Amino acid sequence: SQQGEEDPQALSIQEGENATMNCSYKTSINNLQWYRQNSGRGLVHLILIRSNEREKHSGRLRVTLDTSKKSSSLLITASRAADTASYFCATATYNQGGKLIFGQGTELSVKP
Amino acid sequence: EAQVTQNPRYLITVTGKKLTVTCSQNMNHEYMSWYRQDPGLGLRQIYYSMNVEATDKGDVPEGYKVSRKEKRNFPLILESPSPNQTSLYFCASSQDRGDYNEQFFGPGTRLTVL
Repeated sequence: SQQGEEDPQALSIQEGENATMNCSYKTSINNLQWYRQNSGRGLVHLILIRSNEREKHSGRLRVTLDTSKKSSSLLITASRAADTASYFCATATYNQGGKLIFGQGTELSVKP
Repeated sequence: EAQVTQNPRYLITVTGKKLTVTCSQNMNHEYMSWYRQDPGLGLRQIYYSMNVEATDKGDVPEGYKVSRKEKRNFPLILESPSPNQTSLYFCASSQDRGDYNEQFFGPGTRLTVL
């Protein structure tokens, strides 16, 4: 079953603009992770935020987590054409066999 | 370079012909897992392994087998593939139990069963 729901499903912006993607989930989690996938290729891990953290940064990425609203957001600042990809949130919960539950993803298109 | 490798990357086969997709990681990770990705259904876990000789079913295990005889390898076996197993398959690995640290994914294996 899908836990993460992502919004928007698709996002098109110009190079240099910021991109914000949102993820909502249903049950309590241990951590939430964001991944990038380029056109049917492998999943690249971007950032992990634990349930007791509220915000995390990595380069041009900023992730927030609101466990009271069961939601997270991924902000990519100063986007580049190379950021064009699908972005997925995935949640991990204790004692679920290490299973990551993925959202359907946001397709980001960054136009030069 | 720390990585998860899968082979083959692309495979076209026919119904009923047994096949194995290999997965290997060089990070000494305890935890390994297989997912399949399908349009509209997203990524779903097939099987996972907490350690050598410890495997268990995920959400969609029917039609698949796995083994974990060595820490670094976690092959996915389709004894009698069917067209509904046409999919993009990913192997992943992680330290510890898989629910605490990030998971690293392989490049994917695109399987077509005719």
